[in-house]
Amino acid sequence: KQEVTQIPAALSVPEGENLVLNCSFTDSAIYNLQWFRQDPGKGLTSLLLIQSSQREQTSGRLNASLDKSSGRSTLYIAASQPGDSATYLCAVRPTDSWGKLQFGAGTQVVVTP
Amino acid sequence: DTAVSQTPKYLVTQMGNDKSIKCEQNLGHDTMYWYKQDSKKFLKIMFSYNNKELIINETVPNRFSPKSPDKAHLNLHINSLELGDSAVYFCASSDRGQTEAFFGQGTRLTVV
Repeated sequence: KQEVTQIPAALSVPEGENLVLNCSFTDSAIYNLQWFRQDPGKGLTSLLLIQSSQREQTSGRLNASLDKSSGRSTLYIAASQPGDSATYLCAVRPTDSWGKLQFGAGTQVVVTP
Repeated sequence: DTAVSQTPKYLVTQMGNDKSIKCEQNLGHDTMYWYKQDSKKFLKIMFSYNNKELIINETVPNRFSPKSPDKAHLNLHINSLELGDSAVYFCASSDRGQTEAFFGQGTRLTVV
């Protein structure tokens, strides 16, 4: 059974510092891994999608890596800003899942000015 | 132009009532989902429809009944609401292969 773990559960950094968020999963049989951002009381915003054949994806200040064999993904956010404060969720799409996503519990990030 | 929209955004109702949540996507995706986010913020799949056909039905009480009139719409009807049904319900869509999933803004259901 696929399990997705995100460490740490919460993180507080001063503005300007780089953020490193970790996601691990137990079964490497996945189609892809997706990182989301969730603001309080809001929906999920897709940040990056990494296919199982890819090693990394980049979008602006965001970079996500994927090591499928070791069951790990890392989301890097460069030069953090207070607007980056949110909960970050990673989700894997198992190959036998008919498209459903298996989520981690999230990392709550606070960037202080 | 919202990609995945669900209504209502907030729903407060009494125990025992029946309520529905509606979802629509304009992305042309063939698969839609309902997820539940509990009080601990953990997201879990409930149902999935592919081209109007139910393909995922997780262990959900049969008081919850999804309906997909067409591949752009997926509604969730809940009978005899209980206190434990209070949660945020998210609708999502994707193509069933390797594409990105998009989520609606959520419906916060509070049962009193």
